[in-house]
Amino acid sequence: EPEVTQTPSHQVTQMGQEVILRCVPISNHLYFYWYRQILGQKVEFLVSFYNNEISEKSEIFDDQFSVERPDGSNFTLKIRSTKLEDSAMYFCASRLLSRRQNNEQFFGPGTRLTVL
Amino acid sequence: AQSVTQPDIHITVSEGASLELRCNYSYGATPYLFWYVQSPGQGLQLLLKYFSGDTLVQGIKGFEAEFKRSQSSFNLRKPSVHWSDAAEYFCAVVNSGGYQKVTFGIGTKLQVIP
Repeated sequence: EPEVTQTPSHQVTQMGQEVILRCVPISNHLYFYWYRQILGQKVEFLVSFYNNEISEKSEIFDDQFSVERPDGSNFTLKIRSTKLEDSAMYFCASRLLSRRQNNEQFFGPGTRLTVL
Repeated sequence: AQSVTQPDIHITVSEGASLELRCNYSYGATPYLFWYVQSPGQGLQLLLKYFSGDTLVQGIKGFEAEFKRSQSSFNLRKPSVHWSDAAEYFCAVVNSGGYQKVTFGIGTKLQVIP
């Protein structure tokens, strides 16, 4: 069964460094998402991406964050200058078909980001 | 704006006992509703989903949930809990229009005692 994959599973970085989290969505999916979960808290929406542009973003998704689909398979989240509070589990998700179709998002296993 | 409330942060049940996890949502139109389970250090696994139709939905691992529009609820149930069900459970709502971002509840941590 096709699944969303994410690399790395765990990333440790120093404060102020740039990180890129990578996701490979399910191949025929058209909508892509990033969520994060700070330890002990709920999963929060960051951004949705469709047709090579951001379709919606939360207030968390400030100028430090960017997303890109550099080729036909990868979907990346870049954090330009990491802060301690960026430490969290980051989930990628993808979804099939048009925005009016009722179908669920498929989540990847997550990347745990630790900022020291 | 849509929101999800899970009033129970932590629940402890004995193995073999029945389980009900509560979820209330706030959304103007007909919501799409989901339950996810997360084991420690793991990702999110979809247990079940409701889009329309029969208000009692069956999911994996013997779970079911009932959509009650009048109560804005989507409670998760299981008749007999197994030790392997110990995990964190998240109720979620998706806006049926737009780009369908998922809004999650705070989660309910389930502990199963022998």
